[in-house]
Amino acid sequence: QVQLVESGGGLVKPGGSLRLSCAASGFTFSDYYMSWIRQAPGKGLECVSYISGSGIPIYCADSVRGRFIISRDNARNSLYLQMNNLRAEDTAVYYCGRWSGGLDVWGQGTTVTVSS
Amino acid sequence: EIVLTQSPGTLSLSPGERATLSCRASQSVSNNYLVWYQQKPGQAPRVLIYEASIRAVGIPDRFSGSGSGTDFALTISRLEPEDFAVYYCQQHAYSWTFGQGTKVEIK
Repeated sequence: QVQLVESGGGLVKPGGSLRLSCAASGFTFSDYYMSWIRQAPGKGLECVSYISGSGIPIYCADSVRGRFIISRDNARNSLYLQMNNLRAEDTAVYYCGRWSGGLDVWGQGTTVTVSS
Repeated sequence: EIVLTQSPGTLSLSPGERATLSCRASQSVSNNYLVWYQQKPGQAPRVLIYEASIRAVGIPDRFSGSGSGTDFALTISRLEPEDFAVYYCQQHAYSWTFGQGTKVEIK
């Protein structure tokens, strides 16, 4: 079945780095734009970044430009988010999402906590 | 950046009642590239409506979307117990942005 599974979240100190991964299955991964959406505790949804099937990235959130890098490996059916110089305000659940005119498939989310 | 403002912040209604949620954009959303999602506590969002008015597969017909330009709405004709949740709109005409959400709670 169509599935997205995120991993890589955890507790990190301010200024630290994390790499999130999203493993896709059940569909032709390279045919779809993929995205990272985050949700801070008790808050709404925020687009972090999305990437075309061929690997062209777009960063939705100004606050992450220059710190986060989205990438994908179509051979491995995987999406990544390299997060550097993390700040307390990056604390959130990070969801991987498949784009098909809307985000029609979501992962379960992985939690990133930035705290000293 | 297109800013989406959802209203009201919270809607308190009883099962069986009609819910109308608003999503207003700071500038025109071309091609009606407006999507609606539902999110329940502890779950990932679920897509309901594409391109302002097209129901996603498996979404009951009590959910309907309307609007164009800068004003959009999601209507739930008769609230079922499972419809009490938070609803978000998203535009993808110019990058992607989300509204801040409307919570539909049981009165």
